[in-house]
Amino acid sequence: QTVVTQEPSVTVSPGGTVILTCASSSGVVTSSNSPNWFQQKPGQPPRALIYGATNRHSWTPVRFSGSLLGVRAALAVSGVQPEDEADYYCLLYCGGLWVFGGGTKLAVL
Amino acid sequence: QVQLQESGPGLVKPWGTLSLTCAVSGDSISRTHFWTWVRQPPGKGLEWIGEVSYSGTVKYNPSLKSRVTISMEKSKNHFSLDLKSVTAADTAVYYCARMMIRFQGMPDWGQGTPVIVTS
Repeated sequence: QTVVTQEPSVTVSPGGTVILTCASSSGVVTSSNSPNWFQQKPGQPPRALIYGATNRHSWTPVRFSGSLLGVRAALAVSGVQPEDEADYYCLLYCGGLWVFGGGTKLAVL
Repeated sequence: QVQLQESGPGLVKPWGTLSLTCAVSGDSISRTHFWTWVRQPPGKGLEWIGEVSYSGTVKYNPSLKSRVTISMEKSKNHFSLDLKSVTAADTAVYYCARMMIRFQGMPDWGQGTPVIVTS
């Protein structure tokens, strides 16, 4: 089964820009993996941010953007706000099944 | 606006069967989309358990496949999760969610229901 890997933790200053990545043990992440990104805050269900690698949901702030970056999927957050402190998960479609990454804890300090 | 609501016992005995239901409102589970279960052990990440499609096709996480059944009750517009032979490792918050067709994302989630495996 495919293993999806994310950075365990990342720290960014308010107003800064950060890129979170999502790698697949199966190789290059492509649009066929339909990368999704979710934000989760303590005690809440995940909130969908990005689907199909680059598409924002209607509620997703424009400072969040998704892309394919080299062999990985990426989530960039520009002009980071204090409320962006959360866990972020990617989700990939691999071999007909869905696999979550282990998540990245984003600290805004 | 679709809404999903999980329900079921919060406590399950070891080696018993965990059974949860997700009630869906605002959409028909037999019309379209993929109806999904995800879980999150305490302090850990998300795990995709599996899905049932609007046509009844099921897919499961290979690591759970031997113990899990996902089914749909069209007349009640809900879908269910059964996980047998549970252990402490199955203690988690269980979420139901809607995965949109044509890979349009998973925008809709229930609030989650905690399940503890304990004797």
